[in-house]
Amino acid sequence: QVELVESGGGVVQPGRSLRLSCAASGFTFSSCGMHWVRQAPGKGLEWVAVISYNGRAQFYADSVKGRFTVSRDNSKNTLYLQMNSLRAEDTAVYYCAREVRNSEWLYDVWGQGTTVTVSS
Amino acid sequence: DIQMTQSPSSLSASVGDRITITCRASQGISNYLAWYQQKPGKVPKLLIYAASTLQSGVPSRFSGSGSGTDFTLTISSLQPEDVATYYCQKYNSASAFGQGTKLEIK
Repeated sequence: QVELVESGGGVVQPGRSLRLSCAASGFTFSSCGMHWVRQAPGKGLEWVAVISYNGRAQFYADSVKGRFTVSRDNSKNTLYLQMNSLRAEDTAVYYCAREVRNSEWLYDVWGQGTTVTVSS
Repeated sequence: DIQMTQSPSSLSASVGDRITITCRASQGISNYLAWYQQKPGKVPKLLIYAASTLQSGVPSRFSGSGSGTDFTLTISSLQPEDVATYYCQKYNSASAFGQGTKLEIK
């Protein structure tokens, strides 16, 4: 069964850091590009970051560039998102999503999401 | 950056109605257009990709069309379980979502 399970969300003060994890199972994780997509309360979907299947390439939305870092450990089938200098506007549900093979930036599997709240 | 604009933002229709949601790209994107369905409190689900290809397991009452800058999602006969917010997404080189269309039952 193909599954993505996020963890690591919580309540954090502005300016602090948080690391999200996404555990993958049921597919060959090391063959898939992986993305983070977020959804602020009551708002739409916003792409955050992508990492290539081998971890060599990463791209970020302008809104998080320089503050967030995406990484992966293919030996552990796990994706990460290190979030530094958090702001109130980073408050959202964060989803990890699997990229469809041979269809870059298209997502066929999503995790259940983990909630990040940035508040003093 | 390419912007995706959906209309309407919200829609109320009756069971059995045919409904259409439109999505416009600020530049041509060929057919690199996907539609996702997000039911209340749930995770987004891929419905359609390549503008008109139905993802496996998606009911045939859903269909998509378009190319270039203008796209549509059609539900031929609205069912109660179709209550959701629908998002279009431009993919292939970078990702951009529309703002969503909230579909309700009258």
